Amino acid sequence: DGGITQSPKYLFRKEGQNVTLSCEQNLNHDAMYWYRQDPGQGLRLIYYSQIVNDFQKGDIAEGYSVSREKKESFPLTVTSAQKNPTAFYLCASSIAGAEETQYFGPGTRLLVL
Amino acid sequence: KNEVEQSPQNLTAQEGEFITINCSYSVGISALHWLQQHPGGGIVSLFMLSSGKKKHGRLIATINIQEKHSSLHITASHPRDSAVYICAVPGSNYKLTFGKGTLLTVNP
Repeated sequence: DGGITQSPKYLFRKEGQNVTLSCEQNLNHDAMYWYRQDPGQGLRLIYYSQIVNDFQKGDIAEGYSVSREKKESFPLTVTSAQKNPTAFYLCASSIAGAEETQYFGPGTRLLVL
Repeated sequence: KNEVEQSPQNLTAQEGEFITINCSYSVGISALHWLQQHPGGGIVSLFMLSSGKKKHGRLIATINIQEKHSSLHITASHPRDSAVYICAVPGSNYKLTFGKGTLLTVNP
């Protein structure tokens, strides 16, 4: 079965701690994305990657970092510099480009202790 | 940057009613996406359309490129249609700009 998986489903972060959210896809897609969703707001793009070993900042990249060492994987690290990390994080992938259908993972809900 | 506006923000309907959700955008585009987000948070892509109309089951999406407007219709609505419906348009490079979503509740 092809798709996108995210783990964990829920993640708790302590003050000053870095946490990493996992995103894996087996759809053979070149492009991958990380979005943040807050109540009452549209999805906002954190980072995106068009190809392995390359990624670009989205609209709200401050306090986050990513890597794209493998085509299948695009982990997101929420660093201690992100002062308001509580949100729902969604990973997505597409063949290429914003005019292609994006396939979304089930999401990770990050909460601060 | 493209501004995407959806209306209404919230919509409550009785089972069987015909539903319409609207999406307007400010800058011309080549395609528009409609997405559905279930209460658990998962998002699925419903349609991607660049002109005219597309139909999938009870869902119909239309787009008017000249008026920069799209609508999503649900015929014979059912409680399982209850979800947040989101429209999105491509921006520069690989980016999508998303509307804030329309929360649909269909009561039995």
